[in-house]
Amino acid sequence: SQTIHQWPATLVQPVGSPLSLECTVEGTSNPNLYWYRQAAGRGLQLLFYSVGIGQISSEVPQNLSASRPQDRQFILSSKKLLLSDSGFYLCAWSVGQGSEAFFGQGTRLTVV
Amino acid sequence: AQRVTQPEKLLSVFKGAPVELKCNYSYSGSPELFWYVQYSRQRLQLLLRHISRESIKGFTADLNKGETSFHLKKPFAQEEDSAMYYCALSLEAGGTSYGKLTFGQGTILTVHP
Repeated sequence: SQTIHQWPATLVQPVGSPLSLECTVEGTSNPNLYWYRQAAGRGLQLLFYSVGIGQISSEVPQNLSASRPQDRQFILSSKKLLLSDSGFYLCAWSVGQGSEAFFGQGTRLTVV
Repeated sequence: AQRVTQPEKLLSVFKGAPVELKCNYSYSGSPELFWYVQYSRQRLQLLLRHISRESIKGFTADLNKGETSFHLKKPFAQEEDSAMYYCALSLEAGGTSYGKLTFGQGTILTVHP
């Protein structure tokens, strides 16, 4: 069966430090991959999605970037974190016609 | 631009009472709408989608294109229904997978015994 792993679960980072959040999917091939963020008081917002290795689409301008070095690995990064980057980050995957999105457990990022 | 609005951030009902979680959307195309749920300490998961026209855990949701609404309803709420509920709109046309979503802000439902 398919599973999605996302880590770490919580992270506290100082302003200006780098960030790397990793997400991996098991049990499926060539999934579509997504990064979402929920900032305080707001709904989940799509940040990036990828339909294949090296193919990244950004939905909103921001201080973050994403990469997909392998078929089932999706990484969210920042060179220098801002306070406004704090939030709850969710990785998700979907595959196949009409498939729903399946979400990871999420990472709670606090920038101090 | 597409938008999903859930006007109620918090909703409290007693066990056995009817519950309705409101969702309104704005979208110029033909919408594909979903309800996602997150129970305490669990992952966000799909509850139901309008194209399936099915009832899940006693919940139903009807797409009303005239009112641009997709309200979630259950005639008799149970304590185990307590959770965060998100309404979501797919940004992808039919024939693809539905991972690109616009979410509402979510409604926290609490069902009291």
